Amino acid sequence: KQEVTQIPAALSVPEGENLVLNCSFTDSAIYNLQWFRQDPGKGLTSLLLIQSSQREQTSGRLNASLDKSSGRSTLYIAASQPGDSATYLCAVCNQAGTALIFGKGTTLSVSS
Amino acid sequence: GAGVSQSPSNKVTEKGKDVELRCDPISGHTALYWYRQSLGQGLEFLIYFQGNSAPDKSGLPSDRFSAERTGGSVSTLTIQRTQQEDSAVYLCASSRQGTGTDTQYFGPGTRLTVL
Repeated sequence: KQEVTQIPAALSVPEGENLVLNCSFTDSAIYNLQWFRQDPGKGLTSLLLIQSSQREQTSGRLNASLDKSSGRSTLYIAASQPGDSATYLCAVCNQAGTALIFGKGTTLSVSS
Repeated sequence: GAGVSQSPSNKVTEKGKDVELRCDPISGHTALYWYRQSLGQGLEFLIYFQGNSAPDKSGLPSDRFSAERTGGSVSTLTIQRTQQEDSAVYLCASSRQGTGTDTQYFGPGTRLTVL
């Protein structure tokens, strides 16, 4: 059974710092890996999607990498801002492409 | 354009009652997913619909849970004889094709509280 783990569970940084969120998964047979952001009381917003054949994706200040063979992904956030404060969720898509399996998230707090 | 919408936003019910939760996907999206998010469990997949294909029900936790999707659009998740452990936020998502290559777009969720 696929399991997704995110470390750390919570992170507090001052504004301007670069930071890395970690995600690991137990079964490398995935269709893709996605990073989402969740703000309190709201739904999920997709940040980046990395297909299983890809190594990384970039969007603005965000860069996500994928090492499928070792079951790891990282989300790099450059020059963090208070508006980046949220819970970040990593999810892997099963090989059938029908379901996302989520980690429990990393709650990020960026102070000004 | 309009995103995924869900109703109601909040639902409080008594143990043993049935509830229906509604999801309106993004227009033109053929794939629809239900998840639930509860404290301590994180986000769990429940069910997946893709066009006219048989749904993937592998995530439904018990036979008290069922879902249907009418006309390839709106979906209803039904929970019969609700239990306190059913309390959670139920999230719906849709994607263009559901082949695994598409981004899933999530609705705001329905918060279900079973007293």
